[in-house]
Amino acid sequence: GESVGLHLPTLSVQEGDNSIINCAYSNSASDYFIWYKQESGKGPQFIIDIRSNMDKRQGQRVTVLLNKTVKHLSLQIAATQPGDSAVYFCAETEEYGNKLVFGAGTILRVKS
Amino acid sequence: EAGVTQSPTHLIKTRGQQATLRCSPISGHTSVYWYQQALGLGLQFLLWYDEGEERNRGNFPPRFSGRQFPNYSSELNVNALELEDSALYLCASSPGIRRESEQYFGPGTRLTVT
Repeated sequence: GESVGLHLPTLSVQEGDNSIINCAYSNSASDYFIWYKQESGKGPQFIIDIRSNMDKRQGQRVTVLLNKTVKHLSLQIAATQPGDSAVYFCAETEEYGNKLVFGAGTILRVKS
Repeated sequence: EAGVTQSPTHLIKTRGQQATLRCSPISGHTSVYWYQQALGLGLQFLLWYDEGEERNRGNFPPRFSGRQFPNYSSELNVNALELEDSALYLCASSPGIRRESEQYFGPGTRLTVT
């Protein structure tokens, strides 16, 4: 499989601050992107998705931004809470049911 | 609505043995995906089944195989286990080809090879 690093980047934020998690993707043919949250001992949980015909999508407290020019994806979490502490993965796929290619993941630690 | 379920939760095997992992997708989903998550690494795509057929395969040796049953549940088989096969194996399901691509994950099976 694709190689990813052994050491995940870590983002530490104060409770109540906004968090921005970044992801660079590799396949210019990818047209569907998803952010997942994975808590310790659990499977990844869907947060928000975006299709390539959009550059921004908002959910509840979360916003995903897509910049296709530089193949960059970001997840913004507003008013970060302790329950947001987890590993966050971006994933890309070509349309309709193909395999997801996951980024390496970012650890988000929320300090109270 | 029940989510994706996987069994067993934990599995301990010795080198050279075979392991069988099981997955039940969300009701109505026809696609099942398998991923390997080794410690300290990201999720690596293993296999994708839809309507009983293997649709795509990741960069893993042939001793990783599987199948999908008529009820859309799936098995992942790992033969001739090696120590580096120790990982969390995640199953995901989605509505199927030409439908939404969002994949819903199960809790995983922790495979330990000693």
